[in-house]
Amino acid sequence: DTGVSQNPRHKITKRGQNVTFRCDPISEHNRLYWYRQTLGQGPEFLTYFQNEAQLEKSRLLSDRFSAERPKGSFSTLEIQRTEQGDSAMYLCASSFARTGLRNTIYFGEGSWLTVV
Amino acid sequence: KNQVEQSPQSLIILEGKNCTLQCNYTVSPFSNLRWYKQDTGRGPVSLTIMTFSENTKSNGRYTATLDADTKQSSLHITASQLSDSASYICVVRVTGANNLFFGTGTRLTVIP
Repeated sequence: DTGVSQNPRHKITKRGQNVTFRCDPISEHNRLYWYRQTLGQGPEFLTYFQNEAQLEKSRLLSDRFSAERPKGSFSTLEIQRTEQGDSAMYLCASSFARTGLRNTIYFGEGSWLTVV
Repeated sequence: KNQVEQSPQSLIILEGKNCTLQCNYTVSPFSNLRWYKQDTGRGPVSLTIMTFSENTKSNGRYTATLDADTKQSSLHITASQLSDSASYICVVRVTGANNLFFGTGTRLTVIP
């Protein structure tokens, strides 16, 4: 088990360009989360999938952001028409949800986005 | 408003010393509380998870406590090591929902 994998780890893009991040969760984990974290702050929830269904979206997820998990395995987070305020680390996390039991949420190493 | 507040914001201690980090939360309805360790530029790593019925949980030199009545938690680090230098984030999960509320973390620096 290689843990939660994210790529690219770093991305520098010009304002207005589109970027896409990929997350490969731990195999057989049915839940997948996306968070955004800026320097000195804790992660902020963006969206969550149970299998392929996107069950919850934060108000932080503007219409420029879209996330997919087409086959219930890997996920992509796309940011269209990037703005400087989008510069942050985008964290992916996964867990295996079991009713009545606590489930550990495992985070990836994050994808750093710098919009110039 | 659901909030998680941590103190101190930063802390510097000598190697070998103990320290305690604090977490206060107003999140409701409470499901569980987690402590994560996050090295600079890396993803958070889980240390402990506690439900409302658990008062204490240990993981090696890390011991977390929870007082669900006062909505406070602490993370005690014993015999600190240089590798303990990191941010420690308190995270509270809400019952019935699937997101987590994160504190802003305590930045711990252990010096030789």
